[in-house]
Amino acid sequence: SQTIHQWPATLVQPVGSPLSLECTVEGTSNPNLYWYRQAAGRGLQLLFYSVGIGQISSEVPQNLSASRPQDRQFILSSKKLLLSDSGFYLCAWSSWRDGNTDTQYFGPGTRLTVL
Amino acid sequence: DQQVKQNSPSLSVQEGRISILNCDYTNSMFDYFLWYKKYPAEGPTFLISISSIKDKNEDGRFTVFLNKSAKHLSLHIVPSQPGDSAVYFCAASYNFNKFYFGSGTKLNVKP
Repeated sequence: SQTIHQWPATLVQPVGSPLSLECTVEGTSNPNLYWYRQAAGRGLQLLFYSVGIGQISSEVPQNLSASRPQDRQFILSSKKLLLSDSGFYLCAWSSWRDGNTDTQYFGPGTRLTVL
Repeated sequence: DQQVKQNSPSLSVQEGRISILNCDYTNSMFDYFLWYKKYPAEGPTFLISISSIKDKNEDGRFTVFLNKSAKHLSLHIVPSQPGDSAVYFCAASYNFNKFYFGSGTKLNVKP
């Protein structure tokens, strides 16, 4: 069965510090991978998605970046965190089946607080 | 530009009654729709989905209805249970594999 891991679960960082959140998927190959953020009182916002190694699409201009160094690894980074980066970050994966979009499955999330 | 909208931020329903959660979308290219349930501090979990070639999909107590002409999606929960209390997100996607989410509706089922 497929499993998605995210770490760390919680993180408190000062403004201006760097960020690295990691997501890995097990039990599937060549998944589509996503980073979302849920800010307080708002819905899920798509930040990045990737359809393959080294292929990253950005949805929202920001000081965040994403990388996919391996097929089942997706990393969210920042060189300098802003207060507005606080939120709940979710990694998700999906796959194509028979040419149709499959359901998306989410990791446990990372609660990021920037002080 | 929010392509998927959930205009009701909260909904309160008595246990045993029907819960109806609504969702509107603007992009006619969307061909797949999903509902997720989310508890605090957890990732969303998939509930039910529907393809644009259908207008109804049922799974136990959960039924999703799709009205393409109105670009409207709804989730019916019958009967509602206290354990259904959570935030419900609707989502839509098209063939680029991007998923767009609404802002969520917080459902409170009162015992």
